[in-house]
Amino acid sequence: QVQLVQSGPEVKKPGSSVKVSCQASGGTFSSSVISWVRQAPGQGLEWMGTIIPLYGTANYAQKFQDRVTMTADKSTSTAYMELTALTSEDTAMYFCARGRGRMVQGFIIFEGPTDYWSQGTLVTVSS
Amino acid sequence: QLVPTQSPSASASLGASVKLTCTLNTGHSNYAIAWHQQQPGKGPRFLMKVNGDGSHTKADGIPDRFSGSSSGAESYLTISSLQAEDEADYYCQTWGTAIQFFGGGTKLTVL
Repeated sequence: QVQLVQSGPEVKKPGSSVKVSCQASGGTFSSSVISWVRQAPGQGLEWMGTIIPLYGTANYAQKFQDRVTMTADKSTSTAYMELTALTSEDTAMYFCARGRGRMVQGFIIFEGPTDYWSQGTLVTVSS
Repeated sequence: QLVPTQSPSASASLGASVKLTCTLNTGHSNYAIAWHQQQPGKGPRFLMKVNGDGSHTKADGIPDRFSGSSSGAESYLTISSLQAEDEADYYCQTWGTAIQFFGGGTKLTVL
């Protein structure tokens, strides 16, 4: 059974950065893709980007392209999402989720939906 | 674009059935989608993938009361014998090359 366990809640000042971790157990980390999805209070799900740990390659949603970096450590089966230049609009629950995909010429080809989700990490941005 | 559209809300009585809809634009008929459930205060949970031919593949442990289907650009999640714990937000998801989309979600109220 795949489990995804994230780091704890964060409170950050505007303009700062946050780095959230997501440790996977069960399944095969390297052959999976890990997506990051956020949910602002009372709002829906928003895809931020996906990393394929086997290659360390990430594709990002255009909205976050300039501010997000996704990395992965195969040795610990842990994925990371760092978001910079935080504003109050980044206050949200951040989820990691596993799926399946392959890489073709630098682009992640999804081979299905996200099928396992984490419990989420609440990031609060406040002065 | 593969951006799915969902009705914001739906309601049905305890023990009844409800059919939720996820709509893609007509240029993306017969695309596979996925349904996710988010109960209040919890993270999302993958329910099933609905294939372009209307068949579906459920995640382990999802009751038989949940089923999926599709017709053209519309995909459906049908929940029968509604129970109180089915009250939740339901999201559909699509995916393409280097991109994913979630619908805005449907809030299901069990009366």
